Amino acid sequence: GAVVSQHPSRVICKSGTSVKIECRSLDFQATTMFWYRQFPKQSLMLMATSNEGSKATYEQGVEKDKFLINHASLTLSTLTVTSAHPEDSSFYICSASPLAGASNTGELFFGEGSRLTVL
Amino acid sequence: AQSVAQPEDQVNVAEGNPLTVKCTYSVSGNPYLFWYVQYPNRGLQFLLKYITGDNLVKGSYGFEAEFNKSQTSFHLKKPSALVSDSALYFCAVRERSGGYNKLIFGAGTRLAVHP
Repeated sequence: GAVVSQHPSRVICKSGTSVKIECRSLDFQATTMFWYRQFPKQSLMLMATSNEGSKATYEQGVEKDKFLINHASLTLSTLTVTSAHPEDSSFYICSASPLAGASNTGELFFGEGSRLTVL
Repeated sequence: AQSVAQPEDQVNVAEGNPLTVKCTYSVSGNPYLFWYVQYPNRGLQFLLKYITGDNLVKGSYGFEAEFNKSQTSFHLKKPSALVSDSALYFCAVRERSGGYNKLIFGAGTRLAVHP
């Protein structure tokens, strides 16, 4: 099956610093990647949709200047949490969708998640 | 807009008993439905999907789901639960937006299988 790698799995940083999380599709090309945020005991909240070569599409209420997304290639998307604060502490999960086509039924493949703790 | 609902926050089952995790959907058009499982501090793992065809879909780890159009349901089932099945389960529906597909998730149901 398709593999999505997410790094780092855990990161602890001081308030005010920026943190970058990488999401890579290892064995397929992803035209679209999604970034989710998950609070404890809660569902996944879609933050933004990352499209290769174009600007990300952010969901309502997500600060685009706070959560910078770059989709530089068909296998890599990055999420940078800028000037992180304790309230940004969360579990961030990326997912990827293979190139559109007859076989693309919308199934997503997920990374293992990144737990961010801001002190 | 597409949506799914998981009416149960938690389901408790004894090991060896059948389990059902409920999901209902609300969509315009034909639904593309999915089930994912999440273990603690991990990403989501795909279990199965319904696109078209047989209403009973078989997936990973012995799970299956039944698509019921009249009841707009897509319940996840397993004939005999294992303790290792204890996890968080998400139902999802595909929504096509802006030329791409995205998944809309339910709130999740925590499955606890007791020895």
